[in-house]
Amino acid sequence: EVVLTQSPATLSLSPGERATLSCRASQSFSGNLAWYQQKPGQAPRLLIYDTSNRATDIPARFTGSGSETDFTLTISSLESEDFTYYFCQLRASWPPMYTFGQGTKLEIK
Amino acid sequence: QVQLVQSGPEMKTPGASVKVSCKASGYVFPSYGVTWVRQAPGHGLEWVGWISAYNGKTNYPERFQGRVTVTKDTPTSSVYMEMRSLRSDDTAIYYCVRDLRRLTATTVLDPAEYWGQGTLVIVSS
Repeated sequence: EVVLTQSPATLSLSPGERATLSCRASQSFSGNLAWYQQKPGQAPRLLIYDTSNRATDIPARFTGSGSETDFTLTISSLESEDFTYYFCQLRASWPPMYTFGQGTKLEIK
Repeated sequence: QVQLVQSGPEMKTPGASVKVSCKASGYVFPSYGVTWVRQAPGHGLEWVGWISAYNGKTNYPERFQGRVTVTKDTPTSSVYMEMRSLRSDDTAIYYCVRDLRRLTATTVLDPAEYWGQGTLVIVSS
């Protein structure tokens, strides 16, 4: 089973700064990676799919990148509404896998 | 607009079963898959199962094989998740989510674009 490890667990930054969130897979896999944002008390929201594609209505400051086992979500210039939780997710067809990382909390410094 | 409306909160005792419903609207129901994801209090997200709304094909993670059944009812555009032999660590919010892209012949799973409001299931004696 592929395990996703997100780092750091907590990231403290100021508005306007650049955020870099990491997601590492325990082994290479045949599939794709997505990123979700979750605000307290709400369902997650899809940000990035297939490693680097922004979902509908997601601002251009969110960028996904990576390959093999190392993936990154970059937020170019943080806005106040960006300070919340982020999860990465791998999706594979065979064997079917739909695994989430444990999350990164992005907090205001 | 796409909406997924789930059934209300449930409180169950250990060993019981629960069946959560998810009624879809705003899109062509048979064209997309639906996934069930859960989130225990203060914890991350966990995949529970997936169904093709076209042909009823399902996929489950190994840990839920035999304990979870996902079904659909096309006339009502509804999907159901039944979990049996409930334990206290099944206490969580259960979400139904619609796939991002239309089903193809090879679709097994897809990123989750539209989410239901979540159903809290509490398992306690």
